[in-house]
Amino acid sequence: ELKVEQNPLFLSMQEGKNYTIYCNYSTTSDRLYWYRQDPGKSLESLFVLLSNGAVKQEGRLMASLDTKARLSTLHITAAVHDLSATYFCAVDPPGTYKYIFGTGTRLKVLA
Amino acid sequence: SAVISQKPSRDICQRGTSLTIQCQVDSQVTMMFWYRQQPGQSLTLIATANQGSEATYESGFVIDKFPISRPNLTFSTLTVSNMSPEDSSIYLCSVSPRADEKLFFGSGTQLSVL
Repeated sequence: ELKVEQNPLFLSMQEGKNYTIYCNYSTTSDRLYWYRQDPGKSLESLFVLLSNGAVKQEGRLMASLDTKARLSTLHITAAVHDLSATYFCAVDPPGTYKYIFGTGTRLKVLA
Repeated sequence: SAVISQKPSRDICQRGTSLTIQCQVDSQVTMMFWYRQQPGQSLTLIATANQGSEATYESGFVIDKFPISRPNLTFSTLTVSNMSPEDSSIYLCSVSPRADEKLFFGSGTQLSVL
């Protein structure tokens, strides 16, 4: 059974600090996706990583993918309160035609 | 990209009744997905709905409980049948316009069963 695990599950951090969220998955996949969900809202796409070594950056967030290690990271630089949300990674292994989501990381940035 | 209209946005239902959730997409898409998200939890895939074929259900979900229709390439419904309080959750439809493209999500249906 495909498993997608994130850590930490909960993260409380001070504004201005850096931190990394990790996403591990248990089967081969060359593609990985990051989403953000605000409380009471649906999911918003952040990044699409389509190959080994892919790196994408948007503002204070940077995502990377290591398909050999089956690991993706979401790095937060100089956190601000507006980044408070739940972050999910997801994979769609070749031939499965479905997207499996990670356990989620609930981030709270303290002013 | 894809814009998805999902309704109802929320509903409160009595035990034993059924609710049908509708999902309308502004473009033709092959694959549509239905997810359930329980409070504070991740998304669990219920089924994949492709036009012209039976939906493919994930382990733990059955057609009698969650019948799905997919009459064309822009529309799908999910019915939650014979509801119990354990069905209280958020239900989300999503689409992927092309392979290796991200998912686009509807706004979700928050279901409470009394």
